[in-house]
Amino acid sequence: QVQLQASGPGLVRPSETLSLTCSVSGGSIGTYYWSWIRQPPGEGLEWIGYIYYTGATSYTPSLKSRVTISVDTSKIQFSLNLRSVTAADTAVYYCARHILEPGREAFDIWDQGTMVTVSS
Amino acid sequence: QSALTQPRSVSGSPGQSVTISCTGTNGDVGGYNYVSWYQQYPGKAPKLMIYDVSKRASGVPDRFSGSKSGNTASLTISGLQAEDEADYYCCSYAGSYLRVFGGGTKLTVL
Repeated sequence: QVQLQASGPGLVRPSETLSLTCSVSGGSIGTYYWSWIRQPPGEGLEWIGYIYYTGATSYTPSLKSRVTISVDTSKIQFSLNLRSVTAADTAVYYCARHILEPGREAFDIWDQGTMVTVSS
Repeated sequence: QSALTQPRSVSGSPGQSVTISCTGTNGDVGGYNYVSWYQQYPGKAPKLMIYDVSKRASGVPDRFSGSKSGNTASLTISGLQAEDEADYYCCSYAGSYLRVFGGGTKLTVL
C-alpha cells in the first residue's frame, strides 16, 4: 500500500522560499508521475506541477517562473520549491501520485496535506 | 488556462439523484477524455472517485457515475446518502502536459 508523507515548515516569511518534501513508502517512485497540488483556505484546488522519476517536469503557467519540483530516487522522495512567496501562497499543499498512462489519468493517492502560512 | 466552471453548490434529499457539472473548453474537457472527479470532506485530502470521464476508482460505489458531452463533464450521484455530503472537484487534462481543476461544488444532503 503506497503512502505519501510530506514534511516542511508550516511558516514561511514573505519573499523567502517555500520548501516541502514528500516521502513515498510502500512502493517504488519509478514508473509514476508525482504532483504537487495546493488549496488556499476556503478555496478550490490548484495543480502546481508534476515530475517523472526521470526528472521530466511540467508546471502550471501561473507559477512556472517561481517553482521547481525535483526528485531523489535514492531517497524515494520528491520536493517542491516555491520562491519569492507572498501571502497569496498561503495554502494547504498536497503531494499526490499522478497516474499517467494510456487509458488512465488521475491523482490516485494523496498525502494528508501540509498547511503552509506565509507571514512575517 | 482558466479553472473549469462548476456550480458553487447543489443539494438533494436522501434517495434522490444529483448531477454536478464541470464546464471547460475545447482545449481541456472537450478535447480529451481525461476528466477525473474528487470528493473532499472538510479538513481531509481529496479522494479519487472517477477517472477518464466515466471509470470508477477502486472501492467507489456504483451510485457514482461520470459522463461527458462536448465541453461539459458531469458527475451523477444516485440514491443520495448523508455520507455523500462533501465538496466535489473535477479535473481535466488541458494539453501541453497541463492539468486544470474546477472551482469545486459543495453538495448538501437535505
